[in-house]
Amino acid sequence: DGGITQSPKYLFRKEGQNVTLSCEQNLNHDAMYWYRQDPGQGLRLIYYSQIVNDFQKGDIAEGYSVSREKKESFPLTVTSAQKNPTAFYLCASSMLGGRDGYTFGSGTRLTVV
Amino acid sequence: GESVGLHLPTLSVQEGDNSIINCAYSNSASDYFIWYKQESGKGPQFIIDIRSNMDKRQGQRVTVLLNKTVKHLSLQIAATQPGDSAVYFCAEFGNQFYFGTGTSLTVIP
Repeated sequence: DGGITQSPKYLFRKEGQNVTLSCEQNLNHDAMYWYRQDPGQGLRLIYYSQIVNDFQKGDIAEGYSVSREKKESFPLTVTSAQKNPTAFYLCASSMLGGRDGYTFGSGTRLTVV
Repeated sequence: GESVGLHLPTLSVQEGDNSIINCAYSNSASDYFIWYKQESGKGPQFIIDIRSNMDKRQGQRVTVLLNKTVKHLSLQIAATQPGDSAVYFCAEFGNQFYFGTGTSLTVIP
């Protein structure tokens, strides 16, 4: 079955650590996205990529980094510069342009300990 | 940025009743809308979509209504079941998707 897989489901980070969240899709989608979800807030765009080896900052990119070396993969690194990283992170993918909607992964809950 | 808002943050309905969840959008140029369902700890799931050249679209137990005049979108769920309990949010597409904050639907058995 085609889909989008995020791992791990739960992740704990110590102060000052970088952590990487995985996102893999086998839908042959060109575009991939990372969103952050906090209680009572809508999804906020962190980074997106429409093509391999290219990505753009979203509304809240500070403290995050991404790479897009393969069409299927779009990992997100939460760096120590992100001062409030505890959140639910969602990866999504779509056909180029996104006009037919996004397919979301099941999310990763990151907690700072 | 865009503003996609919901009229009510929470909604409780009796099992078997119909549910109506509302959404206001701000960009009159938005031409595609999606309703998503998100269960606790999971990713959003597509429920139903509608394009701006339509004012109503029906799926299985769900109906989406679009009123472009007042920039309002609604999701109707018929014969609401306990499995419908979740957060529902709308998304509008102009040049990218913008997502609302969501309405939490609780179904009372």
